[in-house]
Amino acid sequence: ILNVEQSPQSLHVQEGDSTNFTCSFPSSNFYALHWYRWETAKSPEALFVMTLNGDEKKKGRISATLNTKEGYSYLYIKGSQPEDSATYLCAFTDRGSTLGRLYFGRGTQLTVWP
Amino acid sequence: NAGVTQTPKFRVLKTGQSMTLLCAQDMNHEYMYWYRQDPGMGLRLIHYSVGEGTTAKGEVPDGYNVSRLKKQNFLLGLESAAPSQTSVYFCASRLPRTGGNEQFFGPGTRLTVL
Repeated sequence: ILNVEQSPQSLHVQEGDSTNFTCSFPSSNFYALHWYRWETAKSPEALFVMTLNGDEKKKGRISATLNTKEGYSYLYIKGSQPEDSATYLCAFTDRGSTLGRLYFGRGTQLTVWP
Repeated sequence: NAGVTQTPKFRVLKTGQSMTLLCAQDMNHEYMYWYRQDPGMGLRLIHYSVGEGTTAKGEVPDGYNVSRLKKQNFLLGLESAAPSQTSVYFCASRLPRTGGNEQFFGPGTRLTVL
């Protein structure tokens, strides 16, 4: 089992604040890093899949960066809104991973207060 | 496309009872997965399949069996339910790992074992 760490575990911010979280993963045999957004009582939905060192992805106010050499990815939310409240999961897959298995972190739970 | 669907959405079992959870996807995905979600534990992989007729164990396979008789369906069975199997179960599917393809999740099945 490969270890994927996410920090912080939870985060409470005010509407309009910008925030970021971290995902750490093994730097050897990297293949892909996924970010998912998981709202309460719903199922996770993919935000980004990144495969190259230095990748930067953006979707609206949310963006992500990837450093495969040091084994971390950052997710940024600019000007947080209450509808951004969710758990953000990252998942890692490596070249040795048996048949495309994803290793998930435990997530960062974001609450945005109006 | 319906995407990934799960049946049933909710179920209450008594200890010792058996049941089967059905996952179906209409995206012609090769890979399918069963996860369980418990508070503070994130998503944990139970079993997965990389194609029709093939299955493999994940992190927490004990007490569960699976079958993939058809490409579009992935069944999760509990032969003798235990209270420790009270959880929310998510099915997911994806294309093979080429390009780091995202996982698509079903809506979840909430199971309570009394």
